[in-house]
Amino acid sequence: DTGVSQDPRHKITKRGQNVTFRCDPISEHNRLYWYRQTLGQGPEFLTYFQNEAQLEKSRLLSDRFSAERPKGSFSTLEIQRTEQGDSAMYLCASSLTSGRADTGELFFGEGSRLTVL
Amino acid sequence: KNQVEQSPQSLIILEGKNCTLQCNYTVSPFSNLRWYKQDTGRGPVSLTIMTFSENTKSNGRYTATLDADTKQSSLHITASQLSDSASYICVVSFTGGGNKLTFGTGTQLKVEL
Repeated sequence: DTGVSQDPRHKITKRGQNVTFRCDPISEHNRLYWYRQTLGQGPEFLTYFQNEAQLEKSRLLSDRFSAERPKGSFSTLEIQRTEQGDSAMYLCASSLTSGRADTGELFFGEGSRLTVL
Repeated sequence: KNQVEQSPQSLIILEGKNCTLQCNYTVSPFSNLRWYKQDTGRGPVSLTIMTFSENTKSNGRYTATLDADTKQSSLHITASQLSDSASYICVVSFTGGGNKLTFGTGTQLKVEL
């Protein structure tokens, strides 16, 4: 399978615990995005990387959220001290983009569903 | 503020019927418009991508249209199948580099026998 893979697919945790999600993009893709999606809504942008550089973060990404892409390949999204409001689907996507234009087709993973009790 | 609005919010049709979903946007300056299909509990899958110079694009039974002047797009589904039941999301990109994707909230389509 050469698509975007995310792990775990489902995570149930208690409020206050830390959780980490991993995303493995399509191997030659230079851009990697994280989105959050709640029921009945479209994905909301959290952050994106161009290779290993984190170029933009949404104001939705509070201090409890941190994302890394240390070698420009896989990425992790960590949520510290989880709150019930963090319950959502966390989607990762990757694209192959040249220059400054964001015209590369976006390929999404299947998502990591987080439930905070 | 860049916005993408989709209508209807939800739609139920009988198998074999056609339907059209709408997307209006205020994103500027416009780069491209994409339609995605998202099955429940799955990640979105790309159906079409159109730049401002394209006014129609097809992918099997899916045909997207774009009117960059009125900032409207539609997704027409022909001869619907049960497997078309999903959320259809319109995504608009504007120029300037970086992340410039604005997502609509989607139209939830249900195809019934």
